[in-house]
Amino acid sequence: KQEVTQIPAALSVPEGENLVLNCSFTDSAIYNLQWFRQDPGKGLTSLLLIQSSQREQTSGRLNASLDKSSGRSTLYIAASQPGDSATYLCAVVVSQGGSEKLVFGKGTKLTVNP
Amino acid sequence: NAGVMQNPRHLVRRRGQEARLRCSPMKGHSHVYWYRQLPEEGLKFMVYLQKENIIDESGMPKERFSAEFPKEGPSILRIQQVVRGDSAAYFCASSLMGTVNTEAFFGQGTRLTVV
Repeated sequence: KQEVTQIPAALSVPEGENLVLNCSFTDSAIYNLQWFRQDPGKGLTSLLLIQSSQREQTSGRLNASLDKSSGRSTLYIAASQPGDSATYLCAVVVSQGGSEKLVFGKGTKLTVNP
Repeated sequence: NAGVMQNPRHLVRRRGQEARLRCSPMKGHSHVYWYRQLPEEGLKFMVYLQKENIIDESGMPKERFSAEFPKEGPSILRIQQVVRGDSAAYFCASSLMGTVNTEAFFGQGTRLTVV
């Protein structure tokens, strides 16, 4: 059964710092990996989708990498801003229980201090 | 193009009542997924539906919970005889062609509180 782990659980950084969030998964048989952002009391906003054949994706100040063989992904945030404060969730799409579905980590809660 | 719409945003029910949660997918999307998020826990898969069909309900409790996605109208997650342990945020996601090849988009969620 696929398990997704995100480390650290919480991270606090000063504004302007570059940072890396980590995601690991136990089974490399994934279709793709998606990073989301969740603000308190809100829904999930999709940030980046990396297909299993890809190594990385970039969107603005965000860069996500995928190393399927080692079961790892990282989300790099450049020049962090207070508005980046949120919980970041990593999810992999796997075939499990009869269909393909997203399996989530518990997230990393990021605080960017002005 | 409106995103995934869920309503109500907040729902309070007394123990034993029924809760109905609605989800309208993004325009053109026919794949709908329901997830539950308990406090301090990650999102857990409940059910996957396509129009008029339940594809996978392996994450849904066998009793009191049901889901549908009719030909017309929103997807409904129904919880009968709610108990305190059902208190959680329920999220709906939709995708164009299933999550293998296309991105999943989530709604704002329905926060159910059972008193």
